[in-house]
Amino acid sequence: AQSVTQLDSHVSVSEGTPVLLRCNYSSSYSPSLFWYVQHPNKGLQLLLKYTSAATLVKGINGFEAEFKKSETSFHLTKPSAHMSDAAEYFCVVSDGRGGSYIPTFGRGTSLIVHP
Amino acid sequence: DAGITQSPRHKVTETGTPVTLRCHQTENHRYMYWYRQDPGHGLRLIHYSYGVKDTDKGEVSDGYSVSRSKTEDFLLTLESATSSQTSVYFCAISDDERTSGYPIRKETQYFGPGTRLLVL
Repeated sequence: AQSVTQLDSHVSVSEGTPVLLRCNYSSSYSPSLFWYVQHPNKGLQLLLKYTSAATLVKGINGFEAEFKKSETSFHLTKPSAHMSDAAEYFCVVSDGRGGSYIPTFGRGTSLIVHP
Repeated sequence: DAGITQSPRHKVTETGTPVTLRCHQTENHRYMYWYRQDPGHGLRLIHYSYGVKDTDKGEVSDGYSVSRSKTEDFLLTLESATSSQTSVYFCAISDDERTSGYPIRKETQYFGPGTRLLVL
């Protein structure tokens, strides 16, 4: 069965410093992987997705993630944090087993950005 | 933004009463999903639909039912609300996508704004 683990429930950074949000996945198939962002009292918005093309994926707002099959990881990074990046981030895996493509969500990482 | 609305946006109800939440889309997407979001649990799938009148259970379906009589509407019903169903409910939609060299896959989900439900 597919699963996803977000290794940190909270990450705290200062504005202007790099961001690293860690995600490990488990899947018996070639998975699709996603990062979504949720700002307070809002719905989820797609940041980026990996679907078996380039392993380095660029998303919106300067975020990117690298698919590493050998490490079963899909960590999210950004070179320089902005106050507006403060939000909840979800890593998602979908491996299409049985043709259903029902995704599995991680429990989320709360990004806190200090001035 | 994808055209997805949820109604009501907020609701307070009493234990034992039935509650229906509505998700409406204007994107003509085939797949629709209901999730609940609780602290420390991320999003958990309640039910999903892969077409009109075609639905299936998700991870946490007990106490919930759904109906989809037309493409644009997906209803979630709590038959007899309990305090454990206090949560934020999100609707999502997705559609088949074609990627060169790969079969049709439905992948990217678009989410509604959510409904906050409080069961007293």
